[in-house]
Amino acid sequence: EADIYQTPRYLVIGTGKKITLECSQTMGHDKMYWYQQDPGMELHLIHYSYGVNSTEKGDLSSESTVSRIRTEHFPLTLESARPSHTSQYLCASEGEGYSPLHFGNGTRLTVT
Amino acid sequence: AQRVTQPEKLLSVFKGAPVELKCNYSYSGSPELFWYVQYSRQRLQLLLRHISRESIKGFTADLNKGETSFHLKKPFAQEEDSAMYYCAVFGNEKLTFGTGTRLTIIP
Repeated sequence: EADIYQTPRYLVIGTGKKITLECSQTMGHDKMYWYQQDPGMELHLIHYSYGVNSTEKGDLSSESTVSRIRTEHFPLTLESARPSHTSQYLCASEGEGYSPLHFGNGTRLTVT
Repeated sequence: AQRVTQPEKLLSVFKGAPVELKCNYSYSGSPELFWYVQYSRQRLQLLLRHISRESIKGFTADLNKGETSFHLKKPFAQEEDSAMYYCAVFGNEKLTFGTGTRLTIIP
């Protein structure tokens, strides 16, 4: 089924660990996005990609990095997690034209 | 840079009463505006967009360029409308969201 998937759904990890949040979509969309959302706050765009080998930083500065080696895969990596990284991370993809964003279920990250 | 303001973090309305969720935006160009909704335990999804001029689940939203507003309205609230609602503006090739309004419908 065409969809967008995020794993893990929840992650609790200690300070200093390296983590990768996975995002995959099977809709063949070129555009993909990562948003960060703290409870009760707006979604902040942290990374986006318009296709393979294309990545850009979003409006909110983030210590995370992303890669886009394949169309369907857009992982986000934190080299050294800190408590300030505790947040919800939402991945989304977008088709051509005036298509809406399709969101994943999100990953809720807690860094202790 | 574009910005979206949703002044109400929480809004409670009785079932059957009218609903209005406020949204104001700032964007120098010609904006594309959207409302996204997140129901309990579901993912964020598109509710409606202004270019479609459609009514979804009884909700409508009119773009008022003079007041730079895109308020979401429904004449008679239903319990299943309880959710988190986000207004968003597309500009500079990016979608910018507001802080969201949690709507609770009181039975």
